[in-house]
Amino acid sequence: EVQLVESGGGLVKPGGSLRLSCAASGFVFRDAYMNWVRQTPGKGLEWVGRIKNTNDRETTDYAAPVKGTFTISRDNSKSMLYLHMSSLTTEDTAVYYCTTLMTVATQNFDYWGPGTLVTVSS
Amino acid sequence: EIVLTQSPGTLSLSPGQRATLSCRASQSVNSNFLTWYQQKPGQAPRLLMYGTSTRATGVPDRFRGSGSGRDFTLTISRLEPEDSAVYYCQQYGSSPPMYIFGQGTKVE
Repeated sequence: EVQLVESGGGLVKPGGSLRLSCAASGFVFRDAYMNWVRQTPGKGLEWVGRIKNTNDRETTDYAAPVKGTFTISRDNSKSMLYLHMSSLTTEDTAVYYCTTLMTVATQNFDYWGPGTLVTVSS
Repeated sequence: EIVLTQSPGTLSLSPGQRATLSCRASQSVNSNFLTWYQQKPGQAPRLLMYGTSTRATGVPDRFRGSGSGRDFTLTISRLEPEDSAVYYCQQYGSSPPMYIFGQGTKVE
């Protein structure tokens, strides 16, 4: 059974940094593209970024609003996904989901974690 | 950048009725990359339909996806109480890589 569990969310001040983690199990982690998607009441669902699998050299892509301030990484030996967020603003307040993307041919998010809440506030 | 517009915003129906949800793209999209998700209150989204019309594992056959070009539809043929949820469409564009979501349709 595929399981994704995010952690690391919390309250952070504007301008601060935070690292989210996602523990994965139940599938061959190194073979999956992994993504972060966030959700706010106002903006709905928003893709944050992705990291490709080992076969595709673990290259990363980011949504425009977070490019340059967010970094995605993975540790295949531990089946862990990370999202390092810096220069946070109130606009980054959201529930952050870790998702798998196992089939490049259809580019959909197969499995989602329960999410972790990040609140950026002074 | 492609925009996905879902309509209606809310659909209020009774059990046994048919629900028709629309997802319109601002330009033609690849139907291989058109996906639907279901999100129930307090839960993460769940993959419902991918490649426009392929049901994900465990999705009942009362859910049907269709469409091409700019217009896509999710039909729930005989509503069950457990189908109450928000439904999102999503598409992928490759240049630059980007995943876009519609704003959702609430079915109650």
